[in-house]
Amino acid sequence: QKEVEQDPGPLSVPEGAIVSLNCTYSNSAFQYFMWYRQYSRKGPELLMYTYSSGNKEDGRFTAQVDKSSKYISLFIRDSQPSDSATYLCAIEVQGAQKLVFGQGTRLTINP
Amino acid sequence: ETGVTQSPTHLIKTRGQQVTLRCSSQSGHNTVSWYQQALGQGPQFIFQYYREEENGRGNFPPRFSGLQFPNYSSELNVNALELDDSALYLCASSSEGAGQETQYFGPGTRLLVL
Repeated sequence: QKEVEQDPGPLSVPEGAIVSLNCTYSNSAFQYFMWYRQYSRKGPELLMYTYSSGNKEDGRFTAQVDKSSKYISLFIRDSQPSDSATYLCAIEVQGAQKLVFGQGTRLTINP
Repeated sequence: ETGVTQSPTHLIKTRGQQVTLRCSSQSGHNTVSWYQQALGQGPQFIFQYYREEENGRGNFPPRFSGLQFPNYSSELNVNALELDDSALYLCASSSEGAGQETQYFGPGTRLLVL
C-alpha cells in the first residue's frame, strides 16, 4: 500500500465549476499537508499547506484536512482554464527530511 | 531574489553511462533536496543535503549520489544508468530550520536513457 494515494484522473470540468481533489494517507505520524500545482514541463509550485484538521482558505482555493479519516482535499472555486495542471498532494512527518507525494491528478478546465 | 535553477534542461544518455545534474538553490537557502518524478507519477525523494552533508535518503541505490558545495549549490550523480532512470529530476531548496512546506522547486532536468 502506498503511503499516499491520489486518483490520477484525468479530470475534465467546465469553466466556473467547483473542483474537488482528494488524497488519502496511511501514516498517522504525518503532520504537514501540502498541495502543489505543476504545469506541463515545470517544477511543482506550492499552493497551500496546513498542519491541522479543518479548512484553510486562500482566494479560490480551500484545503481541507480530516486527520481522523486520513483524508485531505483541495477545492477550487470558479475554476479557470489557467487552473489546468497536475495537482499533487504532499505530506510530511515532522523532523523528516522528505515530502511524500501522491501520484498527482491531471485537471483540465474547459472554456 | 533568484529562484532555483537546474541544468541542463534536457539530457539523453545510453544505458550504462553516467550523468551529473546540477542545481543552484534559491538565494538564502542552504538545504537542497533531490526528487525523481517518473512520467505520470508524483516526485519521489532521493536525498537531501545540508551543510555539504547528506541529511536523509530515500529508497534509491548507492549509484545515486550527490554533493553540496560551500555556495549551497548541488549535484546529483547517477552511475550505470538504467532505462528506468528516465524521469524528470527535481531539485528543491529550503532554509535551515524551515519545514519542508517552504521548499521551492526548480524546473527540473528531463533525463532520457536509451
